[in-house]
Amino acid sequence: EVQLVESGGGLVQPGGSLRLSCAASGFTFSSNWMSWVRQAPGKGLEWVANIKQDGSEMYYVDSVKGRFTISRDNAKNSLYLQMNSLRAEDTAVYYCATEGGHWFDPWGQGTLVTVFS
Amino acid sequence: QSALTQPASVSGSPGQSITISCTGTSSDVGGHNYVSWYQQHPGKAPKLMIYDVTNRPSGVSNRFSGSKSGNTASLTISGLQAEDEADYYCSSYRSRSTTLYVFGTGTKVTVL
Repeated sequence: EVQLVESGGGLVQPGGSLRLSCAASGFTFSSNWMSWVRQAPGKGLEWVANIKQDGSEMYYVDSVKGRFTISRDNAKNSLYLQMNSLRAEDTAVYYCATEGGHWFDPWGQGTLVTVFS
Repeated sequence: QSALTQPASVSGSPGQSITISCTGTSSDVGGHNYVSWYQQHPGKAPKLMIYDVTNRPSGVSNRFSGSKSGNTASLTISGLQAEDEADYYCSSYRSRSTTLYVFGTGTKVTVL
């Protein structure tokens, strides 16, 4: 069974840092681009970042550039999102998702990040 | 990065057909056949329903279909059922941008 399980969310103050992890199983992790997508409470989906199969290319939404870093460890079948200088507007459920082509499938269950002051 | 435009809500009676629109620009929806659609029930992760404008993943009901004309993509749900009540989001690849993907504003589908 294909499965993605996120972890690492929690409460953090503005300016703080968190590292999200996504453990993949049931498919060849190293064969796919991977993405992080977030959803603020009661709001829509927002693509955050993605990374190529070998980690050589990464792309980010403008609002997180310079603050977030996406990475992966294919030996551990794991995807990461290092989030620094967190802001209130980064509060959201963060999903990891596999890119089959130019689409996202499957998705993890999400992990909640709350930035509070 | 402007989101793609969707109607906030669409409703229909069981058995009816409804269509959700998704309007973008020539840099995203109109420039590629890379539009996908996602269904999200409350408290759940999104589920892929349509990819590359018209393709349906294995296991998705054939009551769901996708199309595109110019800068507007559409998702049609035929034979509406109670379990179709959910939020729906479109997404598109966006060229000439480092923000590679953009999602729609989301549409709440209500089965009357």
